[in-house]
Amino acid sequence: GAVVSQHPSRVICKSGTSVKIECRSLDFQATTMFWYRQFPKKSLMLMATSNEGSKATYEQGVEKDKFLINHASLTLSTLTVTSAHPEDSSFYICSARDGPNTGELFFGEGSRLTVL
Amino acid sequence: SQQGEEDPQALSIQEGENATMNCSYKTSINNLQWYRQNSGRGLVHLILIRSNEREKHSGRLRVTLDTSKKSSSLLITASRAADTASYFCATDSWGKLQFGAGTQVVVTP
Repeated sequence: GAVVSQHPSRVICKSGTSVKIECRSLDFQATTMFWYRQFPKKSLMLMATSNEGSKATYEQGVEKDKFLINHASLTLSTLTVTSAHPEDSSFYICSARDGPNTGELFFGEGSRLTVL
Repeated sequence: SQQGEEDPQALSIQEGENATMNCSYKTSINNLQWYRQNSGRGLVHLILIRSNEREKHSGRLRVTLDTSKKSSSLLITASRAADTASYFCATDSWGKLQFGAGTQVVVTP
């Protein structure tokens, strides 16, 4: 199946700093990527839909200025957690489709962010 | 917001037994998908069932879908210790995937 790569897999940062997480589709072009957040032993919460060449669509309750999403190319979307705080510590997972909207979604391995 | 509700939240069985978990959802869907997640890892796609399908098989997995009841079930037959993981249903509505709360399955040898 298609491969989605996420980097870094783990990151620890101090409060107030910004952290960028990359999501790449390695062997296909993804016009749309999705960013999820997962708390320990909980489900995945959709944060935003990242569209190549346009602004991301954020889910209700997700701060746009806090979680900056950039989808600069058909194979790369980035999530930047700005001015991170300990409550932003979480597991962030991206995903992408390799086809039409009803196709299979492929997930990255996730990025665990710990904010001290 | 979450779409699906899953039950049970946790399931503990012995190797060789079958594991069944259920998922209910609220809105209309294009398809419903089941995923598996090992602790601290990404998600692995298991099976997709379209809204016009009622049952689908893949190896030891059997998925049913009842759109009138807005529910789906995942059956893992002859479970193995390696099946220990969290299992999530996800409903696909016009390209957006929303996940259920998940069922944590533990298979003991």
